[in-house]
Amino acid sequence: EIVLTQSPATLSLSPGERATLSCRASQSVSSYLAWYQQKPGQAPRLLIYHISKRATGIPARFSGSGSGTDFTLTISSLEPEDFAVYYCQQRNTLITFGQGTRLEIK
Amino acid sequence: QLQLQESGPGLVKPSETLSLTCTVSGGSIGSSSYYCGWIRQPPGKGLEWIGIIYYNGNTYYNPSLKSRVTISVDTSKNQLSLRLSSVTAADTAVYYCARLPIACDAFDIWGQGTMVTVSS
Repeated sequence: EIVLTQSPATLSLSPGERATLSCRASQSVSSYLAWYQQKPGQAPRLLIYHISKRATGIPARFSGSGSGTDFTLTISSLEPEDFAVYYCQQRNTLITFGQGTRLEIK
Repeated sequence: QLQLQESGPGLVKPSETLSLTCTVSGGSIGSSSYYCGWIRQPPGKGLEWIGIIYYNGNTYYNPSLKSRVTISVDTSKNQLSLRLSSVTAADTAVYYCARLPIACDAFDIWGQGTMVTVSS
């Protein structure tokens, strides 16, 4: 099983700041890495797939990067609606999710 | 626009079988372009993948749940089903159905989720 480890567990930032979220895989996941945003009481929303491709309707302030086992989700300038929990997910070998990073308002 | 809606009992007794249905509207569940699957989320915790099924019936399950899970598709009803046997309190969660296009290898459309509690 491929384990995805996200860091930090919680990130406290202010609107307008840049957010950098990390996802590390226990073995290579090739390009099969996605990111989701989840707000309380809602289903997750796909943000990024194949490391860096934005899903339909996702603002340009969200970007993904990385390769092999180390990946990053960057939010260039935080909007109030961006404060949520973020998950990474791999599809290289079956499917696993990371444990999540909570992005909270400082 | 494809939409998914989960339905099923909100309360299941320990040792019994949890059964949920996901009804697909606005499109066909029998497409070679994507898988459909189930994901769950215990209260206050993260996402756990349960399994996916392809239109031809091929299934892939989370190894930790494989012995208890069955996912099936009824193309005539445009429905996806989940059965989880021998449930315990640890199976209490919000259960989501979702679509996974082959083109993006990620879940791009989700149902709203349905809460299932395992309790006597």
